[in-house]
Amino acid sequence: AQKITQTQPGMFVQEKEAVTLDCTYDTSDPSYGLFWYKQPSSGEMIFLIYQGSYDQQNATEGRYSLNFQKARKSANLVISASQLGDSAMYFCAMEEAGNMLTFGGGTRLMVKP
Amino acid sequence: EAGVAQSPRYKIIEKRQSVAFWCNPISGHATLYWYQQILGQGPKLLIQFQNNGVVDDSQLPKDRFSAERLKGVDSTLKIQPAKLEDSAVYLCASSFWGGNKETQYFGPGTRLLVL
Repeated sequence: AQKITQTQPGMFVQEKEAVTLDCTYDTSDPSYGLFWYKQPSSGEMIFLIYQGSYDQQNATEGRYSLNFQKARKSANLVISASQLGDSAMYFCAMEEAGNMLTFGGGTRLMVKP
Repeated sequence: EAGVAQSPRYKIIEKRQSVAFWCNPISGHATLYWYQQILGQGPKLLIQFQNNGVVDDSQLPKDRFSAERLKGVDSTLKIQPAKLEDSAVYLCASSFWGGNKETQYFGPGTRLLVL
């Protein structure tokens, strides 16, 4: 079974609008972390935001926020006020014991001017 | 501070040839990872080092792939002999513990094409 599922292979959003990228996960470990990374066409993976399984509040980092619904095992990334530079691949990843990251298949976000 | 460095950035080889990739992690980061990212997929962990010891290499195809981190700093990943299906981006990452989490920082990757 897939540990990390990103069901949207591609998304369009109008510049300055908000967009939500979906991520669901599967684990039986009570302690885990969820990460979102951005991968522009240059190839480098850029860390965006982190949510720990025990964190009571949803994580926020500037224009990025994580909609964490633990019971539903979802960790959706919300990007507010989209910019042209947000066009990239976005990967959701989960860390379980041993600090290993398991990545989803990614979502390609395209911001329209 | 300087990020994770990788070289070469691009490599084209023929099948059955050998190739090596180099990674220099962020200074002070004890943990180093190698990932393989096939086109259209998310990265897949190949091997994880803690200082100069291997923590996890369960997904490393050991018949052809090898990796070392002899002095606990930089690392090399080798493929010998290469197959067509090894065409991918090889990403190196390093991590540190801070702010109640272990965050991995990635290098720019090495794009390998096997012909």
